Amino acid sequence: DIQMTQSPSSLSASVGGRVTITCRASQSITTYLNWYQQKPGKAPKLLIYAASTLQSGVPSRFSGSGSGTDFTLTISSLQPEDFATYYCQQSYSTLFTFGPGTKVDL
Amino acid sequence: EVQLVQSGGGLIQPGGSLRLSCAASGFTFSIYDMNWVRQAPGKGLEWVSYISSSSTMMYYADSVKGRFTISRDNAKKSLYLQMDNLRAEDTAVYYCARSLGGSDYWGQGTLVTVSS
Repeated sequence: DIQMTQSPSSLSASVGGRVTITCRASQSITTYLNWYQQKPGKAPKLLIYAASTLQSGVPSRFSGSGSGTDFTLTISSLQPEDFATYYCQQSYSTLFTFGPGTKVDL
Repeated sequence: EVQLVQSGGGLIQPGGSLRLSCAASGFTFSIYDMNWVRQAPGKGLEWVSYISSSSTMMYYADSVKGRFTISRDNAKKSLYLQMDNLRAEDTAVYYCARSLGGSDYWGQGTLVTVSS
């Protein structure tokens, strides 16, 4: 099974700041990597799929990069509505594993 | 408007069975693969199961294999998760989600509590 890790597990940031979250797969997943945002009590929201493709309607301050085993989600200028937990997910194998999440707070 | 409306959660005793439903509207359900994802209280997301658009492929997380069964009825535009032999560790909010690249639309979630 493919294992996903994320770092950091949590971070504190300020409005307007730049945030970078890293996701690592235990084996190559090429670019089969998705990023989600989840706020408390809400369903997750897809931000990026195929490692770097922005989902329709998602602000351009979100970007994704990487391939193989190492991936990055970047928020270029953090907005108040961006404080949430972020998850990566691989869709390369038939067990679509999520990472443990990164909580972004103020 | 794409909508996934879930039903069927609740309190169930260990060893019991429960069936979750997910009714789709606003899109051509029959051409999309679907997933179930769960989230235990205070924990992260866990992918549970996948079914292809024509039900030819179904996959399960190791934690539920042999106990859960995913199915769909394209005529009724509905997705199901039959959960048998439930355990305390199955307690979670369960989400259905449409699969397209990532999971782009999600149901509202339904709470399943396994407790005596």
